[in-house]
Amino acid sequence: KAGVTQTPRYLIKTRGQQVTLSCSPISGHRSVSWYQQTPGQGLQFLFEYFSETQRNKGNFPGRFSGRQFSNSRSEMNVSTLELGDSALYLCASSLDLRSFYGYTFGSGTRLTVV
Amino acid sequence: GNSVTQMEGPVTLSEEAFLTINCTYTATGYPSLFWYVQYPGEGLQLLLKATKADDKGSNKGFEATYRKETTSFHLEKGSVQVSDSAVYFCALSGNYGGATNKLIFGTGTLLAVQP
Repeated sequence: KAGVTQTPRYLIKTRGQQVTLSCSPISGHRSVSWYQQTPGQGLQFLFEYFSETQRNKGNFPGRFSGRQFSNSRSEMNVSTLELGDSALYLCASSLDLRSFYGYTFGSGTRLTVV
Repeated sequence: GNSVTQMEGPVTLSEEAFLTINCTYTATGYPSLFWYVQYPGEGLQLLLKATKADDKGSNKGFEATYRKETTSFHLEKGSVQVSDSAVYFCALSGNYGGATNKLIFGTGTLLAVQP
């Protein structure tokens, strides 16, 4: 079956712009989470959605937001981009919120802010 | 709060050598523990997992045992291959009673296997 699909794979944006990243989870998975990966900070949790509701949020400024649709697809948005937002953004899906399932990750969206 | 500590890398080994990557954790309750692997330019792949004390996760020759007494989940492989070169992440997911899947990751350990 198809894995977690993230689009686009690569993105270059200018400071001050905004960006929207998309994630399609594995069919049947209802939990979607987002992580930011940078060389300096490693993997940091952004948010988690389940059944269109944000269940958990990491320690990121309000410029970072997300949502989940009724088909479980998710988007994250970053407004007023800063150079420090350059990172690999990873989406992950899971069947539900029981932790023992673990996640299946997508290949990520590489965002470069110039 | 919950945290994961991994050994610093890089770890450089010759092909067919034995691999150990240390991972210890701090958590309340009974977390689930995971090892993920990331190949260059790719996302994370779940390598193995263990959901309760004394469980052994295994996959592709890699093994890790959930040791609650030492709060550890060390990754081992008896004979590494060049194709195992990647970054390995230890992670935990707390037992929140089904309220969240949030993962807490270690810093990652780069493994380089030389032919």
